[in-house]
Amino acid sequence: QQPVQSPQAVILREGEDAVINCSSSKALYSVHWYRQKHGEAPVFLMILLKGGEQKGHEKISASFNEKKQQSSLYLTASQLSYSGTYFCGTMNYGGSQGNLIFGKGTKLSVKP
Amino acid sequence: NAGVTQTPKFRILKIGQSMTLQCTQDMNHNYMYWYRQDPGMGLKLIYYSVGAGITDKGEVPNGYNVSRSTTEDFPLRLELAAPSQTSVYFCASSLQSGILGAEAFFGQGTRLTVV
Repeated sequence: QQPVQSPQAVILREGEDAVINCSSSKALYSVHWYRQKHGEAPVFLMILLKGGEQKGHEKISASFNEKKQQSSLYLTASQLSYSGTYFCGTMNYGGSQGNLIFGKGTKLSVKP
Repeated sequence: NAGVTQTPKFRILKIGQSMTLQCTQDMNHNYMYWYRQDPGMGLKLIYYSVGAGITDKGEVPNGYNVSRSTTEDFPLRLELAAPSQTSVYFCASSLQSGILGAEAFFGQGTRLTVV
């Protein structure tokens, strides 16, 4: 079941904040966030696991509400380099351990 | 420092032809994936493998086949290419399952056009 992302697109000025949401109709075991710049491969940002553990290495934060089956990615004080398409990927309870399914993406444009 | 390598980078196929997209990784990862990306549709999982000799279908497996005879290689075979298979194909790998928090590393993609 493909997760649903919102918004589909957002335009920011440098220094502004943005929130990208990801929701699933099934119980989630983990949520994965990736960013893809035009013409390039997706690059890992962060993983959030059931139980609250969080793994990531960029100055971007995220939350995971297991009960609501939702995750949100928070980009604060945006920089030009944040521009790209953000994808959330989910792994559901009852699914196979290799079944990492991505949403349609959120296109983020940061203007000077 | 190769990571995940895909070949070819670009290919044009005629309807009805077949081809194999190659994917190899040098990180000794157990899990490997094939995704296709169409404009506005995100990444769709075609097939995945949890180890050598083990493969399983993803969201959109029809028209494709895979094999995993070694840990390093995970080729994707297109039989009887159709225009609907025009897409960008990404191969990815991870050390463990995403359930355990393992990140996926993506190759640079293969842009395939079927005419």
